[in-house]
Amino acid sequence: EPEVTQTPSHQVTQMGQEVILRCVPISNHLYFYWYRQILGQKVEFLVSFYNNEISEKSEIFDDQFSVERPDGSNFTLKIRSTKLEDSAMYFCASSENTQLTEQYFGPGTRLTVT
Amino acid sequence: AQKVTQAQTEISVVEKEDVTLDCVYETRDTTYYLFWYKQPPSGELVFLIRRNSFDEQNEISGRYSWNFQKSTSSFNFTITASQVVDSAVYFCALSETDSNYQLIWGAGTKLIIKP
Repeated sequence: EPEVTQTPSHQVTQMGQEVILRCVPISNHLYFYWYRQILGQKVEFLVSFYNNEISEKSEIFDDQFSVERPDGSNFTLKIRSTKLEDSAMYFCASSENTQLTEQYFGPGTRLTVT
Repeated sequence: AQKVTQAQTEISVVEKEDVTLDCVYETRDTTYYLFWYKQPPSGELVFLIRRNSFDEQNEISGRYSWNFQKSTSSFNFTITASQVVDSAVYFCALSETDSNYQLIWGAGTKLIIKP
């Protein structure tokens, strides 16, 4: 069964460093998403992406964040200068379209900023 | 205001008991979708069900059942004859036109099934 994959599973970085989290969505899906979950808290929407551009973003997704689909398979989230409060689990998801189908989630990348 | 409210922070039951997880949502859209996801201790998010606002039929899948009631804006989830493997955090989520279909999540209910 096709699945969303994410790498790395755990990333440790120092405050101020740039990180890139990688995702490979399900191959026939057209919509891609990033969510984050601070430990013990609810899941929060960051951004959605369709047709090579951002379709929606939350207030969390400030100028420090960017997303890219550099090739036909990868979908990346970049944090330019990490802060301690960026420590969280980051989930990538994909769906066939926004209205009809569910979003399938990857296993997540745990980001720890020290 | 919370758009998705899961008032039960944590529920603990003994194996084989039935348990219902509550979800109350708020939206002005006439077209919207409701979801339940399971997050086991390993951390991944597992899709359980999607329901659109025009389909109020209750759904049963094995030991799982869902009760969607538009009149009370609720989408409750019942596990019958619970098992230890059901222990997880369960999230209810809303997707609406106004928010461009991004998932809006409840705070989650931690379900503990004791042997």
